[in-house]
Amino acid sequence: EIVMTQSPATLSVSPGERATLSCRASQSVSSNLAWYQQRPGQAPRLLMYGESTRATGLPANFSGSGSGTDFTLTISSLQSEDFAVYYCQQYNNWPWTFGQGTKVEIK
Amino acid sequence: EVQLVESGGGLVQPGGSLRLSCATSGFTFSDYWMSWVRQAPGKGLEWVARIKQDGSEKYYVDSVKGRFTISRDNAKKSLCLQMDSLRAEDTAVYYCVRGGWCPELWGQGTLVTVSS
Repeated sequence: EIVMTQSPATLSVSPGERATLSCRASQSVSSNLAWYQQRPGQAPRLLMYGESTRATGLPANFSGSGSGTDFTLTISSLQSEDFAVYYCQQYNNWPWTFGQGTKVEIK
Repeated sequence: EVQLVESGGGLVQPGGSLRLSCATSGFTFSDYWMSWVRQAPGKGLEWVARIKQDGSEKYYVDSVKGRFTISRDNAKKSLCLQMDSLRAEDTAVYYCVRGGWCPELWGQGTLVTVSS
């Protein structure tokens, strides 16, 4: 099974600042990587998938990059609604696996 | 409105069984792979199982293989997860999701608690 490792575990950022989240796979997953946001008490929400395709309605301040084993999710200017937990997920090799999550909190 | 609504969660003793259901609406159910994803309390996400549009292909994570069965009824636009021989580590919120790879549509989840 492919192990997904996210860093950092917690990221403290001020509103309006940039946040950069990392995700590393234990082996290549090509571009078959997705990012999700989960707010407290809610179901996860798909943000990005594939090379860097945004999910429907996702604001342009979210961007993704990477392929193979190293991936990055960038939020260019954090808004209040962006403070949440973010998960990466590979869908290259079954079973699909998620990272342990990065919590983005208000600094 | 496009939605997924799970039901069937609850408290069950170790070794017991539970059947989760997911009622869908607002889209052509038979066009999509469907899946179950779970999240233990305060923990991360785990993909449990997925099923092809016509039910001909099913995939399970090793930890539930032989104990859980995913199924679907395209006429009723519903997805099910039969869970047998439940263990404490199966305690989680179970989400019904549309898609087999990176789902954009999630239900709100149903809580399954395995405890004596």
